[in-house]
Amino acid sequence: DTEVTQTPKHLVMGMTNKKSLKCEQHMGHRAMYWYKQKAKKPPELMFVYSYEKLSINESVPSRFSPECPNSSLLNLHLHALQPEDSALYLCASSPTAARGVNYGYTFGSGTRLTVV
Amino acid sequence: DQQVKQNSPSLSVQEGRISILNCDYTNSMFDYFLWYKKYPAEGPTFLISISSIKDKNEDGRFTVFLNKSAKHLSLHIVPSQPGDSAVYFCAASVGGSNYKLTFGKGTLLTVNP
Repeated sequence: DTEVTQTPKHLVMGMTNKKSLKCEQHMGHRAMYWYKQKAKKPPELMFVYSYEKLSINESVPSRFSPECPNSSLLNLHLHALQPEDSALYLCASSPTAARGVNYGYTFGSGTRLTVV
Repeated sequence: DQQVKQNSPSLSVQEGRISILNCDYTNSMFDYFLWYKKYPAEGPTFLISISSIKDKNEDGRFTVFLNKSAKHLSLHIVPSQPGDSAVYFCAASVGGSNYKLTFGKGTLLTVNP
């Protein structure tokens, strides 16, 4: 299995809703990432988990709450989002997030989120 | 402030010819560079990378060139094939890892049969 699987593929939620995005990989990767990509913009890093511990939070608002229950699974809990949070949310994994070690990410196909 | 710039939003080439995708960066701390390819409705796929200690890396039809003094890199695809049609993202990182990647906006490559 060489894939990163993201569910759901599409999500429409209201500003008062609570929803979660799910990301799963079975490649034994120990680093997992959330990126956000708005239309015609590059992907921007949100969070990095290394060995199931949060190692980077790129000053993301608290209405986004990541969780890494185990080494294969990464969630992004959403609450009280704004319409400007509408974007493609990409999950990625890599064997490690260690510095000095070069690997390309494996990305999932993303969740297209629309906040209404 | 965009630290990784892909100034050409799109590029169209004929099948069999060379495709050259360009990328410029401003952060002199970047020391590792990657190219990703993205098809519609799919996540980006890692294509090729280069460390700042090299000026060229080749993998089959894909070659990446790095000019550190000009803070410029390019991806050459030879020969181009219709299946290469996709958005190509340039990305860079500090510390020689993919700990945090900074991406460019992407270039849409269309290879015409």
